[in-house]
Amino acid sequence: GENVEQHPSTLSVQEGDSAVIKCTYSDSASNYFPWYKQELGKRPQLIIDIRSNVGEKKDQRIAVTLNKTAKHFSLHITETQPEDSAVYFCAASINTGNQFYFGTGTSLTVIP
Amino acid sequence: GAVVSQHPSWVICKSGTSVKIECRSLDFQATTMFWYRQFPKQSLMLMATSNEGSKATYEQGVEKDKFLINHASLTLSTLTVTSAHPEDSSFYICSVRDWSVGQYFGPGTRLTVT
Repeated sequence: GENVEQHPSTLSVQEGDSAVIKCTYSDSASNYFPWYKQELGKRPQLIIDIRSNVGEKKDQRIAVTLNKTAKHFSLHITETQPEDSAVYFCAASINTGNQFYFGTGTSLTVIP
Repeated sequence: GAVVSQHPSWVICKSGTSVKIECRSLDFQATTMFWYRQFPKQSLMLMATSNEGSKATYEQGVEKDKFLINHASLTLSTLTVTSAHPEDSSFYICSVRDWSVGQYFGPGTRLTVT
């Protein structure tokens, strides 16, 4: 089955700096990679996703890159703000409708 | 996107009792729903895939007789934790899937077993 690894587990950055979270996956058949943001006690919220036919996708301050050959993908948050503080999860899936295999999560703290 | 609700949002029960958690897809007919469990400061772990009108598919290590799943309609799936124990205390989250845009999560149910 799929195995998704995520690093780092915790990350602290100064407000305005960039944050990068990296994930690797094992199943070459995976072709859909969403990123979720989860605040304490709340449901995960999709913030960005990428499919295997695309190498990079950007949405304002958030971007995701995918390297299919190396089987890794990364989340980039620029100009971080305190409200970006949360736990971020990457996931991998075969197509959008199958079960997601989640990474272990990264607790991001943005220091004002 | 799909709107998903869960009920209750939190529940406290005594050890040995059973608890039922409902997951509803409010504006979308979901043939498949997923049930996840999340322990504090940990990731979401898939427990089972709930298929409308058929038996759920459980992940390895998840006891199907303890976590009963019923997906009787296209808008409702239920998870019943039978004979609950303190180690079952967790955050339970369901999701519904849409082939075109992925999954939508419910708000979660926090279960505390005393």
